[in-house]
Amino acid sequence: EAQVTQNPRYLITVTGKKLTVTCSQNMNHEYMSWYRQDPGLGLRQIYYSMNVEVTDKGDVPEGYKVSRKEKRNFPLILESPSPNQTSLYFCASSPDRGDQPQHFGDGTRLSIL
Amino acid sequence: GQSLEQPSEVTAVEGAIVQINCTYQTSGFYGLSWYQQHDGGAPTFLSYNALDGLEETGRFSSFLSRSDSYGYLLLQELQMKDSASYFCAVRDEGDYKLSFGAGTTVTVRA
Repeated sequence: EAQVTQNPRYLITVTGKKLTVTCSQNMNHEYMSWYRQDPGLGLRQIYYSMNVEVTDKGDVPEGYKVSRKEKRNFPLILESPSPNQTSLYFCASSPDRGDQPQHFGDGTRLSIL
Repeated sequence: GQSLEQPSEVTAVEGAIVQINCTYQTSGFYGLSWYQQHDGGAPTFLSYNALDGLEETGRFSSFLSRSDSYGYLLLQELQMKDSASYFCAVRDEGDYKLSFGAGTTVTVRA
């Protein structure tokens, strides 16, 4: 089954404790992306990747890091999480461009205390 | 950068027709996409318009006017399961970022 898998689905943690949210897709897609969703603000792109070792900033990259060492994986790293990063996060992939249909993961709900 | 405007809420009865408008301001433009999201679940792709005109997929249609920087999603024969949030999204011609509108919550009443 074609899917984008995120882990963990839920996480409560404390300020400053480094965390990683993993994302993996099994569709051999070139393009992968991370979004955060906050009430009233829709989906905002954090980072995206056009291919292995190619990443670029979205609209809200501050406080986040990503890497794309393998085509299927695109982890999101919060080096020093802060409460304003409490949000619902989605990973997505598409064949080769962002405007092609994005396949989304089920989301990760992060709470930073 | 991109700026997209869409209404925050729409309420309609079963069987009705709903139109969700999306206006955008971009430094370039590549295409307009629409996504549906139920209650914080994974957004799912509905449609994509790169050229002016109407695209029809079953009960849902999407329209684009590039000269007016405007598009809409038309939901026909509304069903209770259509209660969800709907987002428009654009990709800038100059890069590969994808920007979403804040979303329109559609509530379908019996």
